[in-house]
Amino acid sequence: KAGVTQTPRYLIKTRGQQVTLSCSPISGHRSVSWYQQTPGQGLQFLFEYFSETQRNKGNFPGRFSGRQFSNSRSEMNVSTLELGDSALYLCASSFAGTQETQYFGPGTRLLVL
Amino acid sequence: AQTVTQSQPEMSVQEAETVTLSCTYDTSENNYYLFWYKQPPSRQMILVIRQEAYKQQNATENRFSVNFQKAAKSFSLKISDSQLGDTAMYFCAFIQTGANNLFFGTGTRLTVIP
Repeated sequence: KAGVTQTPRYLIKTRGQQVTLSCSPISGHRSVSWYQQTPGQGLQFLFEYFSETQRNKGNFPGRFSGRQFSNSRSEMNVSTLELGDSALYLCASSFAGTQETQYFGPGTRLLVL
Repeated sequence: AQTVTQSQPEMSVQEAETVTLSCTYDTSENNYYLFWYKQPPSRQMILVIRQEAYKQQNATENRFSVNFQKAAKSFSLKISDSQLGDTAMYFCAFIQTGANNLFFGTGTRLTVIP
């Protein structure tokens, strides 16, 4: 079974731009969670989607948004990029999302200049 | 609020030796799950081991085992017969029953020395 895939793997953007990251979960998994990893803040939960609905959201500004499609693929969008948004964005999938093991993708490394 | 603490930022171990990574957590919940994830230089987060809080028996996966002390809120990872491929960042993570977001510690960078 194929693992979680994320595209693109690397991105360079400038301040003020917006960016969309994509995540395809493991086949059969319906929950997708997004995490931001930075050297200063560590790993922080962004949001989780299940059956196209956002069930939980972390403490991030409204510039961070996401969605999930009927095939469980998920996208996250960051608008009006700031330098501090430079991070590794990790996507994780699980079957139903609650207390189950989450399997992570390779991440998208975003650099904001 | 749940917090996860890893007090060892860096550790090293000789190849074939045993090393233990520490993790403590704070929660008022009684039912939860604990995980150790490994993040090698490739940055892919890989599940190492999982422990259900309601199980008294410590989880084991090949060379990896945990010492789960629920009353002390401690969850350490023991790696036996360390291999060069074990070199990575190790994150302890917590999720409460019914929740869908993991809380992570700050990580321990483990280096296996040949």
